[in-house]
Amino acid sequence: SQKIEQNSEALNIQEGKTATLTCNYTNYSPAYLQWYRQDPGRGPVFLLLIRENEKEKRKERLKVTFDTTLKQSLFHITASQPADSATYLCALLYTGGFKTIFGAGTRLFVKA
Amino acid sequence: EAGVAQSPRYKIIEKRQSVAFWCNPISGHATLYWYQQILGQGPKLLIQFQNNGVVDDSQLPKDRFSAERLKGVDSTLKIQPAKLEDSAVYLCASSFGASSGSGETQYFGPGTRLLVL
Repeated sequence: SQKIEQNSEALNIQEGKTATLTCNYTNYSPAYLQWYRQDPGRGPVFLLLIRENEKEKRKERLKVTFDTTLKQSLFHITASQPADSATYLCALLYTGGFKTIFGAGTRLFVKA
Repeated sequence: EAGVAQSPRYKIIEKRQSVAFWCNPISGHATLYWYQQILGQGPKLLIQFQNNGVVDDSQLPKDRFSAERLKGVDSTLKIQPAKLEDSAVYLCASSFGASSGSGETQYFGPGTRLLVL
């Protein structure tokens, strides 16, 4: 079965630094890969989508890369701020069966 | 634009009791999803509707869970009877397109936190 791995340990970084989160998957490459942000007690909020034929996507301070050879996506937050502290989830979307699979998420703490 | 609404926000029941959750998706969204999120894990898809038809319910424990989406709008998810391991947050999401196969953004509600004692 398809598996997604995200860093289970929390990531602690200093304000102003770049945070890099990793999403690795096994077996089949998805048609799309999304990143969501989830705050405590709230539902996930969509951040970025990248397609299987795209290498990189940017939105303001956010950047996502997608390497189908390594079966890995990296999510970067540049000039991080304490308000960026949250759990970040990656989600793989497969067109066959229209299935969405989420990773467990990585908790990010940005210290002032 | 109003977001996805869910109720109740919290529910505490004893095992073997039944419980129902309600979801009102964003107006005009064809696809509705129910997810189960256990503490420390990512959301797990339970069932996906396109309008009022089921697209995927392969991970729905059908012996105790049921869901319906009447008239292709609101949806209810029911658990009967509940088990201790059903304690989780139940998230409802909706998307505009026909299915997640188009990479559509999913908009999530705040979730219903269920505790089974």
